[in-house]
Amino acid sequence: GAVVSQHPSWVICKSGTSVKIECRSLDFQATTMFWYRQFPKQSLMLMATSNEGSKATYEQGVEKDKFLINHASLTLSTLTVTSAHPEDSSFYICSAPLLDTQYFGPGTRLTVL
Amino acid sequence: KQEVTQIPAALSVPEGENLVLNCSFTDSAIYNLQWFRQDPGKGLTSLLLIQSSQREQTSGRLNASLDKSSGRSTLYIAASQPGDSATYLCAATSGTYKYIFGTGTRLKVLA
Repeated sequence: GAVVSQHPSWVICKSGTSVKIECRSLDFQATTMFWYRQFPKQSLMLMATSNEGSKATYEQGVEKDKFLINHASLTLSTLTVTSAHPEDSSFYICSAPLLDTQYFGPGTRLTVL
Repeated sequence: KQEVTQIPAALSVPEGENLVLNCSFTDSAIYNLQWFRQDPGKGLTSLLLIQSSQREQTSGRLNASLDKSSGRSTLYIAASQPGDSATYLCAATSGTYKYIFGTGTRLKVLA
């Protein structure tokens, strides 16, 4: 089956620094990928839609200047959390569609100290 | 705007019981409904995908049903085992691949 990977699987950073998270579709191409965020004991919330070759579409309430998304190729989307703060600590998951199915990455746990 | 809720929020059952998890959605114009399992600190494991034209899907001890007219889906787990302990999430999509996730049900199966 289709596989989506994320890197890193976990990261700890200092407040004020930027962190980049990669999402790759390993055996298929995806012109669209999705980024979700999950706070402890809460469900997944869609943050943005990543579009290959064009700007990402952000959900209401998500700061596009803080969460930079780049979809430079058909197999890679990156999410950069800029000037990270402790409240950005969360579990970030990406997904990519293939035919009628959405395939999810294993997630990246971000902890901002 | 699609909203997805799950009841109950938490459930604890003895091993061997059959159980039902509920998922409700407000917009019946869904494309797919999918059930996932999430273990603590881990990503999502897809369990069952029901397309809008389908009424149910089965995989092993799991059976998921979909009733678009009432805005409900259920996940039936037969003969529950301690290894089934996890959080179960349902998610609905309205055709744009954007999934709206439910609030989740935390299941604990006691040995």
